[in-house]
Amino acid sequence: KNEVEQSPQNLTAQEGEFITINCSYSVGISALHWLQQHPGGGIVSLFMLSSGKKKHGRLIATINIQEKHSSLHITASHPRDSAVYICAVEKGGSEKLVFGKGTKLTVNP
Amino acid sequence: EAGVAQSPRYKIIEKRQSVAFWCNPISGHATLYWYQQILGQGPKLLIQFQNNGVVDDSQLPKDRFSAERLKGVDSTLKIQPAKLEDSAVYLCASSFSGYNEQFFGPGTRLTVL
Repeated sequence: KNEVEQSPQNLTAQEGEFITINCSYSVGISALHWLQQHPGGGIVSLFMLSSGKKKHGRLIATINIQEKHSSLHITASHPRDSAVYICAVEKGGSEKLVFGKGTKLTVNP
Repeated sequence: EAGVAQSPRYKIIEKRQSVAFWCNPISGHATLYWYQQILGQGPKLLIQFQNNGVVDDSQLPKDRFSAERLKGVDSTLKIQPAKLEDSAVYLCASSFSGYNEQFFGPGTRLTVL
């Protein structure tokens, strides 16, 4: 079983919809990262969080340490949000990132 | 601030050939990572350098993969000989130290025929 699981694997939405992507992990962590990967492009870090909630523009990330779960929300989604969103965790005491398989989001106009 | 640079962006080779990828991290970043990302999967760490020393290469297939960071700045990842299953995107990332945010390069997409 993967240490980091994301759901859904694929998500299609209409422009303007509220999007939620989920990440569950099974190990102790020191931090969790949400990353964005566009087709043919590199990876951009969106959030790094170890507790609570962070907001940047239309993006909101939350984490529940007790439940080992994090969510990434996108409000008022736009076609330019179409990308793969990847959850990664820093295992406690380690510098290594363990990645989920990613969620492919397509936002249609 | 310039980002992480990688070259080439794309490479197509036949199996059993050799290939090399280059990465130049963000200036001042001591930690450099090479990841392999197979289509539909998350990135997998191949090797982590701290300056010019190897911190973790436990998942590097050492019979065919090698990497170096001789002067503690840019790095080269080599595959010799390549296999079909090496087709993937090879990502380079760097961070100020191992516990800081990682910055990723654009990746090199390798196709092995």
